[in-house]
Amino acid sequence: DQQVKQNSPSLSVQEGRISILNCDYTNSMFDYFLWYKKYPAEGPTFLISISSIKDKNEDGRFTVFLNKSAKHLSLHIVPSQPGDSAVYFCAASPRNYGGSQGNLIFGKGTKLSVKP
Amino acid sequence: KAGVTQTPRYLIKTRGQQVTLSCSPISGHRSVSWYQQTPGQGLQFLFEYFSETQRNKGNFPGRFSGRQFSNSRSEMNVSTLELGDSALYLCASSLSLSPVATNEKLFFGSGTQLSVL
Repeated sequence: DQQVKQNSPSLSVQEGRISILNCDYTNSMFDYFLWYKKYPAEGPTFLISISSIKDKNEDGRFTVFLNKSAKHLSLHIVPSQPGDSAVYFCAASPRNYGGSQGNLIFGKGTKLSVKP
Repeated sequence: KAGVTQTPRYLIKTRGQQVTLSCSPISGHRSVSWYQQTPGQGLQFLFEYFSETQRNKGNFPGRFSGRQFSNSRSEMNVSTLELGDSALYLCASSLSLSPVATNEKLFFGSGTQLSVL
C-alpha cells in the first residue's frame, strides 16, 4: 500500500508557464517532505523541502505548498524552463521516535517535460 | 569534493547468481542508505548503515543484505537473483544518522543498473 502517491506519471508544460506537480500521502506520522529531481542516468538530487510546521517554502523558481488537513503537497515551478525536464520525486519522512530517519518514503515520480 | 561513487555502473547477471554492488560515500559522510528504483515501484528503501551497523531496514527479503566498512564504504549483496531484481540500485550518503531530522540532504550516486536475465 503506497504511503506517498504521485498520481500523474507525466506532465507536459510550455516554457515560461507554471508547472504544478502534486503529491498525496496517507501516513499522518509524516512530518517532513522533500522533492528530488532526477535526470536520466543520474541519481536524484535534492530540490526543496518543507517541515510540517510550515505550509509554504520557497527557493527561487521553486515553491512547495503543504496542506496537512488534505495530506497533500505540491511543487510549483515558475517560470518553467526546458532544463527542468526531469522526473520529480516526492518523498516523506516520519517523526523520529528514537529510531533512524534515514529512510525516505518516495512516490513513483512524475516525468515533467517542458517544451520550448 | 567527490560525490557518491557507485560501481559498477552496469551489470548483467543471470537468475540464481549473486551480485555485490559497491558504494563510496562523500568524504566525511558516515551514513549510507540504499534504494531500489524500478519503473513500477519508484524508489524503495532497502537499508541504512551508520558506523558499520545496520540501523534501519526496508521491506525486502533476506536475499538482500549489506554491510559497511570502517571507512564508511558500503556494499550490498543480492543472492539467488530473480528477474524482478532488475532495477537501478541507488546509494545515498549523509553526514549523520538522521539527516532528515537535522535538515541535511541525502546525496545520491548515479546508481548501478542491474539486469537479470
